[in-house]
Amino acid sequence: DAMVIQNPRYQVTQFGKPVTLSCSQTLNHNVMYWYQQKSSQAPKLLFHYYDKDFNNEADTPDNFQSRRPNTSFCFLDIRSPGLGDAAMYLCATGTSGYEQYFGPGTRLTVT
Amino acid sequence: LAKTTQPISMDSYEGQEVNITCSHNNIATNDYITWYQQFPSQGPRFIIQGYKTKVTNEVASLFIPADRKSSTLSLPRVSLSDTAVYYCLVDAGNNRKLIWGLGTSLAVNP
Repeated sequence: DAMVIQNPRYQVTQFGKPVTLSCSQTLNHNVMYWYQQKSSQAPKLLFHYYDKDFNNEADTPDNFQSRRPNTSFCFLDIRSPGLGDAAMYLCATGTSGYEQYFGPGTRLTVT
Repeated sequence: LAKTTQPISMDSYEGQEVNITCSHNNIATNDYITWYQQFPSQGPRFIIQGYKTKVTNEVASLFIPADRKSSTLSLPRVSLSDTAVYYCLVDAGNNRKLIWGLGTSLAVNP
């Protein structure tokens, strides 16, 4: 029973070519998070939605955008990927203040 | 703003109890402490969460002293499959800041 689904699991994009990663949930949680995780590093929170309220971390580059059209779906848009944006992107859901449920992640390669 | 500090790595052997301590000196009154486990190429998985004193579930215990400036994750009788990275997270909840530790890489040896 998949609860947090991320598509695709692996994504290859070219330098500067926009890319969108998707996340969906079956948990009906009001909070959805996007993290970036590079090799041997902790997850880095990019932004999160509390219901429809968007909360951007202060150090998240403008190159990263997000959309949440409804409770179940959330998208991460990288407008002009650079080589430094190659990473695992993790989506998580939760009910603020409690445990987060993570998806399997999308591994992004930038060529 | 709370900052979390935890050991970079730990080694253990099968059957031993493992204790991983996280320090969070500036934890705020309403912050919770949460621990996650992560295997390679997977998303983190929730282990346990607590606010104060002791919390126990089927996989771990979490000890939080009265001043709440640190917390200790206790894994009883570890097995090889417990080899993973363990993250301490201070969660302000209520749509506020999440502070992740850098993770402790636990290696369980036969």
